[in-house]
Amino acid sequence: DVKVTQSSRYLVKRTGEKVFLECVQDMDHENMFWYRQDPGLGLRLIYFSYDVKMKEKGDIPEGYSVSREKKERFSLILESASTNQTSMYLCAGGFQPQHFGDGTRLSIL
Amino acid sequence: DAKTTQPTSMDCAEGRAANLPCNHSTISGNEYVYWYRQIHSQGPQYIIHGLKNNETNEMASLIITEDRKSSTLILPHATLRDTAVYYCIVARVSGTASKLTFGTGTRLQVTL
Repeated sequence: DVKVTQSSRYLVKRTGEKVFLECVQDMDHENMFWYRQDPGLGLRLIYFSYDVKMKEKGDIPEGYSVSREKKERFSLILESASTNQTSMYLCAGGFQPQHFGDGTRLSIL
Repeated sequence: DAKTTQPTSMDCAEGRAANLPCNHSTISGNEYVYWYRQIHSQGPQYIIHGLKNNETNEMASLIITEDRKSSTLILPHATLRDTAVYYCIVARVSGTASKLTFGTGTRLQVTL
C-alpha cells in the first residue's frame, strides 16, 4: 500500500511562531500537495510540487511557504502563525489518484 | 474544473448496497470522476475513478452515465466501517499535477 506520513497528528503553537509541518511519501512520486480543511469550506489547496525544488501556488498560498529538498519529503511552513491558520492540514502525494496522509490538526493560540 | 452536486446525507442498512449519486452536468471530455471518502479524524481515502466506462475494484463500483453528466458509487455490501463522508470530484488531469477540488460530500450512515 502507498503511504503518506505526516509528522504530527496534533500540534499547538502560539501566534507569531514559525511552524513546520512535515510530510513524507513512500511512492517515489514527483507530485506532492498541501491542503487545509475547514468546516463548511471543504479542502483547499495551499501549495503543490511536481518535482524536487519545484513548487506552485494553490488557491490559498498567503501566509504559507513550502520546501521540497528531497523527492520523498514536502514541508509546509507557516512563516508567522496566526489564529486564522488553525485548521486541519492534509498532505497528499501521487498522480491519478492522489493519496492522503491522516492530517495534522493545528491549533494556533 | 466542473462542479459536482451530491446529497447532503444518506442512510443504508448494514449488508445492503449503498448507492451514492453525483451530478456533474458541466463535465468536460478530458475530466475524470474521482471518489474519495473520509472517516472521522482521518485523511481522505481514495476509492475509485473513471473517465467514461464503468469501473470496479475491491472497494466499490463506479457507474457513469453515457452522457457523463452523472455517476453513482456503489458499495455492494455496506458495513458499519463504511460510515464516512463520500466525496465525488471531477478533475482534469494535467501533465504535471492533478488538482482535486473537494466539495462538502455525502455523509453516509450505515446502521444495523
